[in-house]
Amino acid sequence: NAGVMQNPRHLVRRRGQEARLRCSPMKGHSHVYWYRQLPEEGLKFMVYLQKENIIDESGMPKERFSAEFPKEGPSILRIQQVVRGDSAAYFCASSPGGYGANVLTFGAGSRLTVL
Amino acid sequence: GQQLNQSPQSMFIQEGEDVSMNCTSSSIFNTWLWYKQDPGEGPVLLIALYKAGELTSNGRLTAQFGITRKDSFLNISASIPSDVGIYFCAGQIPETSGSRLTFGEGTQLTVNP
Repeated sequence: NAGVMQNPRHLVRRRGQEARLRCSPMKGHSHVYWYRQLPEEGLKFMVYLQKENIIDESGMPKERFSAEFPKEGPSILRIQQVVRGDSAAYFCASSPGGYGANVLTFGAGSRLTVL
Repeated sequence: GQQLNQSPQSMFIQEGEDVSMNCTSSSIFNTWLWYKQDPGEGPVLLIALYKAGELTSNGRLTAQFGITRKDSFLNISASIPSDVGIYFCAGQIPETSGSRLTFGEGTQLTVNP
């Protein structure tokens, strides 16, 4: 009974490269959320997706960031042309939707370091 | 955006002591959640509160959903070393999408044996 699986756990990129972070939700969960956590800060909402649909991307930076949750396969958070300020922990959470939708289960996170 | 004010920012206590932390908001929340985050890990849900005035316990943890729906507290009784970590409150405001949560800035708890 795997939980929310994120990979890679650690990713190092040079400025200008692309970062791809993957998230497989818990079995039976069809709603995925991405959050970003800067050092010694709380989690900040980025985007909320259901299968093949972006429901709320109000927390996503306007440029370089994109997210998808295809019909098959994990959700992907993509950061193009990374800059040092993108260094952070990125957490994915999932929920089943419907009753109990408020309880988000988080993955262990992907820690991005931009050199 | 919506802000949750969580206090204290950090606490240093002796093993066996009780701990209390709280969150306040200027807006009404319809759900309050408390999470704990260990170093290098994701947040783990401790307690979920769904109704104003609700008081819920989970072992040595007790949390309450404030009557005004603008605040919540978490108490930990008889602390032990494994309680060390960062505790986050999180809430959902009525007009947000799905289960989108707003998080407080966290309370860093240190327990000295």
